[in-house]
Amino acid sequence: DTAVSQTPKYLVTQMGNDKSIKCEQNLGHDTMYWYKQDSKKFLKIMFSYNNKELIINETVPNRFSPKSPDKAHLNLHINSLELGDSAVYFCASSHRQGGGTEAFFGQGTRLTVV
Amino acid sequence: AQKVTQAQTEISVVEKEDVTLDCVYETRDTTYYLFWYKQPPSGELVFLIRRNSFDEQNEISGRYSWNFQKSTSSFNFTITASQVVDSAVYFCAPFERGGDDKIIFGKGTRLHILP
Repeated sequence: DTAVSQTPKYLVTQMGNDKSIKCEQNLGHDTMYWYKQDSKKFLKIMFSYNNKELIINETVPNRFSPKSPDKAHLNLHINSLELGDSAVYFCASSHRQGGGTEAFFGQGTRLTVV
Repeated sequence: AQKVTQAQTEISVVEKEDVTLDCVYETRDTTYYLFWYKQPPSGELVFLIRRNSFDEQNEISGRYSWNFQKSTSSFNFTITASQVVDSAVYFCAPFERGGDDKIIFGKGTRLHILP
C-alpha cells in the first residue's frame, strides 16, 4: 500500500495555465506538507497543514493555493503558471505531536512549464 | 539562526570503499532532531534515520552508520563497503522548531559509486 501518493507524476503545461496536484496519505498523520525541489536539488518547504489548518506559508506567491479537505488530503493548485514554476513538487506527511517525527514523502510531481 | 551545512557537494568512490558524508547543524536549541534522507536517481525521497540531540549513541543499520556529536554539531553518515545502488543524493535534514515546526533540508551530497 502506498503511504503518501500524489498525482500526477508528470505534468507538462503551457505558461498561463492553471493546474492542480493532488496528494493523499493513508498513514493517519495529522500534518501534511508541500515542498518544492529546484533543478539544483534544493528542497524548500512551501506549506504545511495540521488537521486541515494552515501552519506554514513560506512566502510562496499567492498563485499557489493549497487546499486540505481533510487530514488525509492536501492538494496544491497553481494559477497562471510561469516558467519559473518548473520543478519537482513533493507532498509529505508526519505526526506533529510537538515535533521531531520524520516525514514520509510522495514520489514527487515533475512540473514542466513551457 | 539555525543552519545546516553539507559541505561536500559531490563525492565519487569506487565500489566497496567506505564513504562518509558530513553534516553540520548549527542551532541554539538544546533539544533538536536530525534526519537523513536518500534520493536515488528514480527521484523519490527515502527516510533513513532520525536522531535526537540527547542521544549521542552511534547507530548502525547494516552497512549504514551514523555518528552524532553534539559538541561539534555534526551528524555524519558512513556507508561501509559501498555498492552501486548507494548512488544517490543524500540530504541531512534538521527539524526546525519555533511555532511553525518543519523539516529543513541541507543542499545535499551527490554520491557516485563507481563499479
